[in-house]
Amino acid sequence: EAGVAQSPRYKIIEKRQSVAFWCNPISGHATLYWYQQILGQGPKLLIQFQNNGVVDDSQLPKDRFSAERLKGVDSTLKIQPAKLEDSAVYLCASSLDRTSGRAETQYFGPGTRLLVL
Amino acid sequence: SQQGEEDPQALSIQEGENATMNCSYKTSINNLQWYRQNSGRGLVHLILIRSNEREKHSGRLRVTLDTSKKSSSLLITASRAADTASYFCATGPDSNYQLIWGAGTKLIIKP
Repeated sequence: EAGVAQSPRYKIIEKRQSVAFWCNPISGHATLYWYQQILGQGPKLLIQFQNNGVVDDSQLPKDRFSAERLKGVDSTLKIQPAKLEDSAVYLCASSLDRTSGRAETQYFGPGTRLLVL
Repeated sequence: SQQGEEDPQALSIQEGENATMNCSYKTSINNLQWYRQNSGRGLVHLILIRSNEREKHSGRLRVTLDTSKKSSSLLITASRAADTASYFCATGPDSNYQLIWGAGTKLIIKP
């Protein structure tokens, strides 16, 4: 079974530039998550999708971050314009279903390491 | 906000020794999960323990859960160099579906 795929693996940009990350979840997984992980910290949830609908985006800085999940499969996360403090690893994860209403096992991609100069 | 707090923040032991990491949390939970993150890689799920379970094993891993103390421990027996990683606990609150993450314990296994 293929895991969660993410690209690119690394990205270096200058502040005020834009950047986009792509994620392909495990086949059949209804729920997709984007996390931001700053060095030395645990992951911080940015946005959660159930199929192609947004379940929670309360911690997404909507003035600069946007995300979409067209057709309920692949997802993209965009930052425009980037700030220095956006330097972090962006992790995508998927889980099978959330109809149970309880947190389930999440499967993570390798992440995209972003450096904003 | 982060609910889980791992203790210690960092741990360095000799290969072959056992490693114990602890996690404390604040609100009632449905389940608690442990994940491992190797340097430069994504997170890998290790084990999930539900609130009605007290102990769970998986290979060299042993997880305990004490809901009265709101704490969990992860024991890795007979550690290997490949166990060097950061270990995170994540709690699934009883009230919703999100995982709440701690800041992790950095484990170093010395050869």
